[in-house]
Amino acid sequence: GQQLNQSPQSMFIQEGEDVSMNCTSSSIFNTWLWYKQEPGEGPVLLIALYKAGELTSNGRLTAQFGITRKDSFLNISASIPSDVGIYFCAGGLFVVGSEKLVFGKGTKLTVNP
Amino acid sequence: NAGVTQTPKFRILKIGQSMTLQCAQDMNHNYMYWYRQDPGMGLKLIYYSVGAGITDKGEVPNGYNVSRSTTEDFPLRLELAAPSQTSVYFCATGRAEKLFFGSGTQLSVL
Repeated sequence: GQQLNQSPQSMFIQEGEDVSMNCTSSSIFNTWLWYKQEPGEGPVLLIALYKAGELTSNGRLTAQFGITRKDSFLNISASIPSDVGIYFCAGGLFVVGSEKLVFGKGTKLTVNP
Repeated sequence: NAGVTQTPKFRILKIGQSMTLQCAQDMNHNYMYWYRQDPGMGLKLIYYSVGAGITDKGEVPNGYNVSRSTTEDFPLRLELAAPSQTSVYFCATGRAEKLFFGSGTQLSVL
């Protein structure tokens, strides 16, 4: 099946540092999504991107829809301990009568106070 | 407003046993989904439903069955549990670009 390459697989950072993670695909998507999953919970949508080149922020989080439509990036600025979790990207291909959503394997983020 | 409720939260099954994972939503969404999440892996779609009475296979449907008799409920059935079905199962609702997930059922098949 279709796969997304999400990197890095894990990150260990100090509180206050900035974080960058990305997702790449061999296929084009028309939607990119970023989710966060905390222990024992389901993923929660952070940011949705719908247009190539789009840059969207949600508080300290900023995500971009790559111009090629084959990649996306998520940045977290000034990390805090509650940023801990697993971040998933998802590429979506939504056309009339069909929808396809592919998830990356996740980036596990640990923030040391 | 509970959103998406999954039960049970944890379950251990013996090989060959059957069970039903329950999922209920109070968001009045037509679309519902079942995903499985294996360690270090992304979510894989098992089955989905676009409305009551309509279900369709996802990427990894083998070994599972679903039904959708009401808008609110979307149970997932395992008939003959196998160790390969050890996973965390998530139910979700909403449209695919904005999914709302339940908190998951952790299933171990031994």
